[in-house]
Amino acid sequence: KNQVEQSPQSLIILEGKNCTLQCNYTVSPFSNLRWYKQDTGRGPVSLTIMTFSENTKSNGRYTATLDADTKQSSLHITASQLSDSASYICVVDQLIWGAGTKLIIKP
Amino acid sequence: DGGITQSPKYLFRKEGQNVTLSCEQNLNHDAMYWYRQDPGQGLRLIYYSQIVNDFQKGDIAEGYSVSREKKESFPLTVTSAQKNPTAFYLCASSIGARYTDTQYFGPGTRLTVL
Repeated sequence: KNQVEQSPQSLIILEGKNCTLQCNYTVSPFSNLRWYKQDTGRGPVSLTIMTFSENTKSNGRYTATLDADTKQSSLHITASQLSDSASYICVVDQLIWGAGTKLIIKP
Repeated sequence: DGGITQSPKYLFRKEGQNVTLSCEQNLNHDAMYWYRQDPGQGLRLIYYSQIVNDFQKGDIAEGYSVSREKKESFPLTVTSAQKNPTAFYLCASSIGARYTDTQYFGPGTRLTVL
């Protein structure tokens, strides 16, 4: 069964700290993987997209990695800011969506 | 959100009533989508449309209906046949329906059945 699982479900860190969010998928075949940011009560906004041949993609303080062999992706956030508080969602082929990781940045 | 609007933001419905959620885009995108989001779950696809006057069922189409009479508009009707309609509904559009085409989302409509 095609699935996307994200961990942790929720995470609280202090402002300025780094964090890494995980995404494991069992989708096959696989074309691309995206990370979205969703603020509470809003629609998701695309952060990065990676094809199966790419290992890393950066967007400002956000860096996504992909290991197609182990079917794992991660999203690393550097020097977190209060505005990073949101849910981060991993999706494969724009079809199989993870449940998201809720990130809370505390001052 | 830019370019995609959804209305209303909050909607309350009595059991047995049909309600229609609006979705409009001015991005000149061919493809449009409706998703449902429930707490602790990933987005689930209700319906999608690749072109005007054409649409296909997604994973959870039962109890929902759509129309695509104009490129800019893709309204979703939640019928009384939908057993558990309380959820956050998201509309999205993309330039095409390929896996590589980024979907752009509206701000969502939160539907509550009283």
